[in-house]
Amino acid sequence: EAEVAQSPRYKITEKSQAVAFWCDPISGHATLYWYRQILGQGPELLVQFQDESVVDDSQLPKDRFSAERLKGVDSTLKIQPAELGDSAMYLCASSLTGTHEQYFGPGTRLTVT
Amino acid sequence: KQEVTQIPAALSVPEGENLVLNCSFTDSAIYNLQWFRQDPGKGLTSLLLIQSSQREQTSGRLNASLDKSSGRSTLYIAASQPGDSATYLCAVKTGGFKTIFGAGTRLFVKA
Repeated sequence: EAEVAQSPRYKITEKSQAVAFWCDPISGHATLYWYRQILGQGPELLVQFQDESVVDDSQLPKDRFSAERLKGVDSTLKIQPAELGDSAMYLCASSLTGTHEQYFGPGTRLTVT
Repeated sequence: KQEVTQIPAALSVPEGENLVLNCSFTDSAIYNLQWFRQDPGKGLTSLLLIQSSQREQTSGRLNASLDKSSGRSTLYIAASQPGDSATYLCAVKTGGFKTIFGAGTRLFVKA
């Protein structure tokens, strides 16, 4: 069964360092999402791609976060510099289109020290 | 602005009990609603997707209903099992195709 892949699964970094997360969606899925989930809360959408284009990044802290999906397939989310408050689970999801069922990857647990 | 609320925040039931989880949303102009399960430290597993034109969806022991006019969805779990213990999240796809999640209901099924 096709799955969304994410790496790394865990990341510990010091504040002010740069960190990057990678996501490979299910083959053929045009829409890719990055979410941030703080412990005890629901996921919050950071950025949504349709193919290689950003369709929603209204909640992305653009002073330190960036995301790209250059060829419309896999995607990278970067944080530079990392802050203590960035400690969270970063989840990637994909769907056939923006209105179809979303499938999630296992997530990357980020700890900033 | 769309807000999604899940009540209760936590629920503990004995094995075998039927239970209902609630999800409410403030703006009825939604495209669809999706229920997920999340085990501790893991990603989300999709359970059911209900389109705005549908009233309910069923999968095995799970049944999800949608009442757009009242801004409510329920997830019914029949004959609960210890393996059902997890956090259950609902997510609304707004008319503008933005996804808004509730905070989830933590379910514990006692053997």
